[in-house]
Amino acid sequence: GDSVTQTEGQVALSEEDFLTIHCNYSASGYPALFWYVQYPGEGPQFLFRASRDKEKGSSRGFEATYDKGTTSFHLRKASVQESDSAVYYCALGDDYNQGKLIFGQGTKLSIKP
Amino acid sequence: ETAVFQTPNYHVTQVGNEVSFNCKQTLGHDTMYWYKQDSKKLLKIMFSYNNKQLIVNETVPRRFSPQSSDKAHLNLRIKSVEPEDSAVYLCASRQGNAETLYFGSGTRLTVL
Repeated sequence: GDSVTQTEGQVALSEEDFLTIHCNYSASGYPALFWYVQYPGEGPQFLFRASRDKEKGSSRGFEATYDKGTTSFHLRKASVQESDSAVYYCALGDDYNQGKLIFGQGTKLSIKP
Repeated sequence: ETAVFQTPNYHVTQVGNEVSFNCKQTLGHDTMYWYKQDSKKLLKIMFSYNNKQLIVNETVPRRFSPQSSDKAHLNLRIKSVEPEDSAVYLCASRQGNAETLYFGSGTRLTVL
């Protein structure tokens, strides 16, 4: 079945560091790909999505490019802030018309001031 | 801005008891969902309801049952809870084929 893999379980950075969180997927065709962010005590929030090869999604300084060749959708940010500390989820739209999302394992990002 | 409301925030109970969690969305969406988030933060869909009809039912144990009175409400009942049911249960909603799922803050269940 379809799946999403996030390589890093935890990432620890300092403010203004460059961030990369790796996301690879396994699915047929062109599934929609998403990034969600979850702050402590809250539910996940939609960051952005992309649905075709080479399409870039972005929001709040974060960005990711859909790459069908490498089946990847890596999250990047040029300069992180302490307020970016959260858990980040990559997700794949499986049978998207029913809203079924398959989430990766999540990556906990911790930013030291 | 919170638009998907879940109650209670926390619930502690013992093995074998029945529990019920409530979810209400004020966004006018026509589809609602229940997701389970385990202790390792893994998120898995459990149920989806569209206009009071169950349209996705993942392979969850039969002791779990969603209950909906109208399209703005989707509750979750668990009969005879077990230790592995300890998790955060997240409710979400979506309008039609729109891309964004809106999640509530979750109900954390602890089964002793």
